[in-house]
Amino acid sequence: ETGVTQTPRHLVMGMTNKKSLKCEQHLGHNAMYWYKQSAKKPLELMFVYNFKEQTENNSVPSRFSPECPNSSHLFLHLHTLQPEDSALYLCASSQRDTSYEQYFGPGTRLTVT
Amino acid sequence: AQSVTQLGSHVSVSEGALVLLRCNYSSSVPPYLFWYVQYPNQGLQLLLKYTTGATLVKGINGFEAEFKKSETSFHLTKPSAHMSDAAEYFCAVSDGEGAQKLVFGQGTRLTINP
Repeated sequence: ETGVTQTPRHLVMGMTNKKSLKCEQHLGHNAMYWYKQSAKKPLELMFVYNFKEQTENNSVPSRFSPECPNSSHLFLHLHTLQPEDSALYLCASSQRDTSYEQYFGPGTRLTVT
Repeated sequence: AQSVTQLGSHVSVSEGALVLLRCNYSSSVPPYLFWYVQYPNQGLQLLLKYTTGATLVKGINGFEAEFKKSETSFHLTKPSAHMSDAAEYFCAVSDGEGAQKLVFGQGTRLTINP
């Protein structure tokens, strides 16, 4: 695997379900990000992790719970979501302090029913 | 706070014609500016970036952009459009501190007519 991978690519879940999104970066980076891309809205930064520590939470509801066990893996745990949470969730990574480029994964298309 | 405005949610050009996608930004600090492209069912790919130095920046696939501080603009151009350029394009600005907090524009969907 190369670059940034995300699984699953598609997910349909009910409002009472619990599911998790997984992101893995194979670039040796030390920063990882979650973004939300909704129809007709700009891409929104959700969370930033540097060296496994969360450094940014952009007022994200608690039904979204991120986890970063190491610099290569990032999870987004989902529970009791709302239909308006349906979106494309993108993961990205970068090398903090030496590069200004964020590398994106292909995203997980989430549908909440 | 930073913000980005992309003029035109849809742009359509003929194959071989000039591509011009407009981006204006607002930033309280010297900005870092980016253009990303998103093909269907894919993530975002960096086309080019401006951090400091030369204001005309060249990127991949023949695209370039010019940082104009006086106009707070960072328009993306390509002299001759190709069918493979059809995609959605996003302009983004950061606060310059490691470019970790990117603020994106709404995106411009580029259609290429044969």
